[in-house]
Amino acid sequence: SQELEQSPQSLIVQEGKNLTINCTSSKTLYGLYWYKQKYGEGLIFLMMLQKGGEEKSHEKITAKLDEKKQQSSLHITASQPSHAGIYLCGADMGGSQGNLIFGKGTKLSVKP
Amino acid sequence: GAVVSQHPSWVICKSGTSVKIECRSLDFQATTMFWYRQFPKQSLMLMATSNEGSKATYEQGVEKDKFLINHASLTLSTLTVTSAHPEDSSFYICSGTNRAGELFFGEGSRLTVL
Repeated sequence: SQELEQSPQSLIVQEGKNLTINCTSSKTLYGLYWYKQKYGEGLIFLMMLQKGGEEKSHEKITAKLDEKKQQSSLHITASQPSHAGIYLCGADMGGSQGNLIFGKGTKLSVKP
Repeated sequence: GAVVSQHPSWVICKSGTSVKIECRSLDFQATTMFWYRQFPKQSLMLMATSNEGSKATYEQGVEKDKFLINHASLTLSTLTVTSAHPEDSSFYICSGTNRAGELFFGEGSRLTVL
């Protein structure tokens, strides 16, 4: 079974609208990473969360990790076309460093 | 954020030849680098963990003799796909960890084997 569930799989929003992407694990995480990827390109690091209840923001993107460290959400405020892409969450399950379990990604499209 | 650079970003080769991909951490030292493979519209799959000055650790199912990894310095790791075949065509991505534990990825290298 998938250890890391990411939802939704795809999302189409109107420019200016807010949106949330979720990432849920069946196990307690050591760390949770959020990346943005355009198909066929590398991953752009967004944020890393390690502590239960932690919240970080960068420009219009906010990510939170719940107290149990099993669920994270990525929230984009007032979306813009530049936010379009594939968002991936990667979870550190306590294995070797760098051995992240990735979600399947959320494809975000922003309509102007 | 920190920068990880891969080269080449795009390569086409004939079946049976070997291809080398470089991964460099440009502004930090990465004692450990990681190599991933990504098939179209799928998530990343870890292939191996590359430690500076020692042998790489390969994930189950990854042929170490086919995917040679060398981590010559704290800023450079290389992946060589030996005797490449069309089924090796894929998008290969590397990553490195800075001291804060943040994991940064390269831009990726697209390999096409004819």
